[in-house]
Amino acid sequence: GQQLNQSPQSMFIQEGEDVSMNCTSSSIFNTWLWYKQDPGEGPVLLIALYKAGELTSNGRLTAQFGITRKDSFLNISASIPSDVGIYFCAGPRAGGTSYGKLTFGQGTILTVHP
Amino acid sequence: DGGITQSPKYLFRKEGQNVTLSCEQNLNHDAMYWYRQDPGQGLRLIYYSQIVNDFQKGDIAEGYSVSREKKESFPLTVTSAQKNPTAFYLCASTPPTPSGNEKLFFGSGTQLSVL
Repeated sequence: GQQLNQSPQSMFIQEGEDVSMNCTSSSIFNTWLWYKQDPGEGPVLLIALYKAGELTSNGRLTAQFGITRKDSFLNISASIPSDVGIYFCAGPRAGGTSYGKLTFGQGTILTVHP
Repeated sequence: DGGITQSPKYLFRKEGQNVTLSCEQNLNHDAMYWYRQDPGQGLRLIYYSQIVNDFQKGDIAEGYSVSREKKESFPLTVTSAQKNPTAFYLCASTPPTPSGNEKLFFGSGTQLSVL
């Protein structure tokens, strides 16, 4: 089945630094989603990407839909302590009618030191 | 405010016991989902329901059961057949519009632990 591999698995950075993480797949996705999960809470959607090559921003966050459709990238600029959490990439599975059936990456754990 | 409410936040299960996790939404979404999260892993789909009185198994349905008697409610029962139930359980829903029905809206989760 479809699998998503995220890297790095974890990051320890200083406040103010920029962050880059990526998500790769062996199969094509037509939509890429990036979620953030705060400790003990449910994930919250950050950015949705629908077109190969698309670059979308949400405040300090920027995500890109890879041209091959097999990867996506998330960048965070000028990190702050509240950026701490787990970042997940996800995509709808091929086929079927229920698009909420997402495949998730294993997550990137971000720690920001003040 | 519209959203998804999961309860309880923490739940403890004894050996051989069935427990039920509650999920209620007031977003008027048709489709609802249950995902399981284990440390260091992505979310895995347990069950989903696209409409009232209908539900389908996800990837890891064994040892779980659900019902969908009302649009607003999608409870998950963790049965004694689930041998490794300790995990963080997340309920979610998606809006009905074709352009947005991949966007999962999550509740705040229930942490289930075995005594």
